[in-house]
Amino acid sequence: SQQGEEDPQALSIQEGENATMNCSYKTSINNLQWYRQNSGRGLVHLILIRSNEREKHSGRLRVTLDTSKKSSSLLITASRAADTASYFCATARQGYSTLTFGKGTMLLVSP
Amino acid sequence: GAVVSQHPSRVICKSGTSVKIECRSLDFQATTMFWYRQFPKQSLMLMATSNEGSKATYEQGVEKDKFLINHASLTLSTLTVTSAHPEDSSFYICSASPHILPYEQYFGPGTRLTVT
Repeated sequence: SQQGEEDPQALSIQEGENATMNCSYKTSINNLQWYRQNSGRGLVHLILIRSNEREKHSGRLRVTLDTSKKSSSLLITASRAADTASYFCATARQGYSTLTFGKGTMLLVSP
Repeated sequence: GAVVSQHPSRVICKSGTSVKIECRSLDFQATTMFWYRQFPKQSLMLMATSNEGSKATYEQGVEKDKFLINHASLTLSTLTVTSAHPEDSSFYICSASPHILPYEQYFGPGTRLTVT
């Protein structure tokens, strides 16, 4: 069952602006991951943050994790039109092989 | 590296027929493979988890007799939708991992199934 909830559900910004998406979850986790999905395509893994980490960077992506609040955020800086996609968080529980996906945020970056 | 392919990318079939979707890990051995279903503008719902050589573990509410999963080798898993109905129309995505506890999964490009 889904445990992640992303907000906002949809986000529309201009190129060059920053985009912030949030994810909340319910159970204890081993790690949390963010994925991107272009329309009608498969998912691309963006970044994984472990439960003992608080912040992680990868290029223009910055992910934070607050296990006390059971929440994470994904920040995309200096967004580009090519960043237009749906973004999903997914949680992995300790000892379980499955990922549980959130509902996703649809990001539209206008030129 | 870590490329997963799916075939076919799109399939249209008539109600009552069966459809087989293949998922292959191209450059690694997939200890674990997963099948997801995604409805338009919704998230991924896990259908089942399969380990090579053993029976798949289905999520609650997924009919194992309708969605047959075979993970016959470390690079190939198949999903067969038997006696397909229009409500089975969906986007099916597989993922694979080289680990038993696959904290990171590599996703295929998905298969769009339309049942008429």
